[in-house]
Amino acid sequence: SAVISQKPSRDICQRGTSLTIQCQVDSQVTMMFWYRQQPGQSLTLIATANQGSEATYESGFVIDKFPISRPNLTFSTLTVSNMSPEDSSIYLCSVALTSGNWGEQFFGPGTRLTVL
Amino acid sequence: SQQGEEDPQALSIQEGENATMNCSYKTSINNLQWYRQNSGRGLVHLILIRSNEREKHSGRLRVTLDTSKKSSSLLITASRAADTASYFCATAPIQGAQKLVFGQGTRLTINP
Repeated sequence: SAVISQKPSRDICQRGTSLTIQCQVDSQVTMMFWYRQQPGQSLTLIATANQGSEATYESGFVIDKFPISRPNLTFSTLTVSNMSPEDSSIYLCSVALTSGNWGEQFFGPGTRLTVL
Repeated sequence: SQQGEEDPQALSIQEGENATMNCSYKTSINNLQWYRQNSGRGLVHLILIRSNEREKHSGRLRVTLDTSKKSSSLLITASRAADTASYFCATAPIQGAQKLVFGQGTRLTINP
């Protein structure tokens, strides 16, 4: 497995502002992902964070709203831009330890975001 | 899109009883993973079962997979109060590079 940390663990923000969430892994990993969990809902994949290149976004998510960086194999950031109350969610990063699609995926503790 | 559906949506049982949760999905998969989430916190990985496997065990957990019915079940035996949590299944499609698709989850409450 991998030890994954996220900062901040929670935040309360004003609409129109932006928040950057950090995800740190204790070992080099091939695959990193960002998910969103809206209140009372399940998880939805936002994007795959690619090291050294632009993230790959899922349908319904765009780079202008959720810019992602991945400067190396242990770290990634997700920014939630120009926030509105609808962005209030838990944001989770996850990692897969193998490049194939047959391995476990491990999640960070999440960042609980409230937008007023 | 969410392809997993879990039932029941909520389950409440007495401590010591067994809890069974079901997950159905729509497309062919490479593997299926079960996770636990306590009170809106991070997800804890419980078990992964591959498409060519039918049953896996881990401690008090037993997972089955029926690819012909596109369904899986998670059995927790001898439940404890600490098992109270939400449980999610997530499928990894054959094509999609580990893009997990999550079910809606089952909220399990263990009553002491």
